[in-house]
Amino acid sequence: DIVMTQSPDSLAVSLGEGATINCKSSQSVLYSSNNKNYLAWYQQKPGQPPKLLFYWASTRESGVPDRFSGSGSGTDFALTISSLQAEDVALYFCQQYYSTPLTFGGGTKVEIK
Amino acid sequence: DVQLVESGGGLVQPGGSLRLTCAASGFSLSSYAMNWVRQAPGKGLEWVSGISGTVGATYYAASVKGRFAISRDSSKNTLYLQMDSLRAEDTAIYYCAKSDAIVLVDKRNNWFDFWGQGTLVTVSS
Repeated sequence: DIVMTQSPDSLAVSLGEGATINCKSSQSVLYSSNNKNYLAWYQQKPGQPPKLLFYWASTRESGVPDRFSGSGSGTDFALTISSLQAEDVALYFCQQYYSTPLTFGGGTKVEIK
Repeated sequence: DVQLVESGGGLVQPGGSLRLTCAASGFSLSSYAMNWVRQAPGKGLEWVSGISGTVGATYYAASVKGRFAISRDSSKNTLYLQMDSLRAEDTAIYYCAKSDAIVLVDKRNNWFDFWGQGTLVTVSS
């Protein structure tokens, strides 16, 4: 199974400041045949189900603000919030879909400092 | 609009059984891979089981294999999860989640683009 490791576990950021969440996979999720990274990011607000933010590591889902960006390749990925807003307080998860079983990172909690 | 509505959760004793239901609307269940993903209280996400669209091949996490069974009724556009021999560690919110892909195999677009609100399963004596 591919193990996904996120860091940090939690992050406190001032409003308007940037935040970066890291996600590392135990093996590469880059498929050489199509040069795509099989990595997705989700946001989960309290009491709600997760919401898809990115797929293919950096393709933004429709409706996601452009202050969010996804980057990385192979085994190392990042989710960046360029200017934190109050509504961005949430848990963030990465997920690999390169192979089954589909696996998630442990999550990163983003709070306001 | 796509909608997924779970039901069937509740309190059950260890060793007991429960059947979860996910009613889908706005798309055909049998045209996409469908999944159950759970989240223990205050914890992360764990993929539990999935079923491919069309052929309907089924897949399970090692933690539930042999105890849980996923199925669907295309005429009702409904997904099910039969959970037997329940354990305390199965306590979680269970979400129904739609894949973007048709089949649940390696190297396909199996991200989860729609989620239900979840149903809470508590296993306790």
